[in-house]
Amino acid sequence: SQKIEQNSEALNIQEGKTATLTCNYTNYSPAYLQWYRQDPGRGPVFLLLIRENEKEKRKERLKVTFDTTLKQSLFHITASQPADSATYLCALAGDLNYGGATNKLIFGTGTLLAVQP
Amino acid sequence: DAGVTQSPTHLIKTRGQHVTLRCSPISGHKSVSWYQQVLGQGPQFIFQYYEKEERGRGNFPDRFSARQFPNYSSELNVNALLLGDSALYLCASSTHRVMGPQETQYFGPGTRLLVL
Repeated sequence: SQKIEQNSEALNIQEGKTATLTCNYTNYSPAYLQWYRQDPGRGPVFLLLIRENEKEKRKERLKVTFDTTLKQSLFHITASQPADSATYLCALAGDLNYGGATNKLIFGTGTLLAVQP
Repeated sequence: DAGVTQSPTHLIKTRGQHVTLRCSPISGHKSVSWYQQVLGQGPQFIFQYYEKEERGRGNFPDRFSARQFPNYSSELNVNALLLGDSALYLCASSTHRVMGPQETQYFGPGTRLLVL
């Protein structure tokens, strides 16, 4: 069955450093991979989308890489700030084994990031 | 512009009862999806509705049902509640039926359901 793994342990880093979060998946060929931010008691908020034929995507302090051979995505936050503290969710969509035609998102369990001032 | 709204924000029910959760999508969005998020886990897909028809269903029992109205708002119904149904129920809206390169889903704040 499809499986998505994110760092189960919380990630604690110092303000100003780069945070790197990992998303690994098996038994899936996604057309798209998305990253969301979720604050306690709130719904996920979309951050970035990367397509299966893209290697890297950037948006301000955020960078996502996508390696379909390794079945892995890395999510980087540079110059991290305490306000970046939240849970970050990786989500896959559009299973290419089934033509990629789906709206359904498959989420990982999320990684809790804590940025210390 | 108003985002996705959900009601109620919190709900306490007892086992065996029935619950109805409501969602209003962003204006112009025709697709509504429902997700269940158990504490410490990522959201799990329950249903997608587009143009009032079910377009996708996750691995949930028949106790879970949903519908979409002509104004694209949606209801999620859960019958015969179990303790394990306690979770944050999220509604997400989007413009299209299928995922595309510019497509994303906008999530509401969720309804926190506690089953005692």
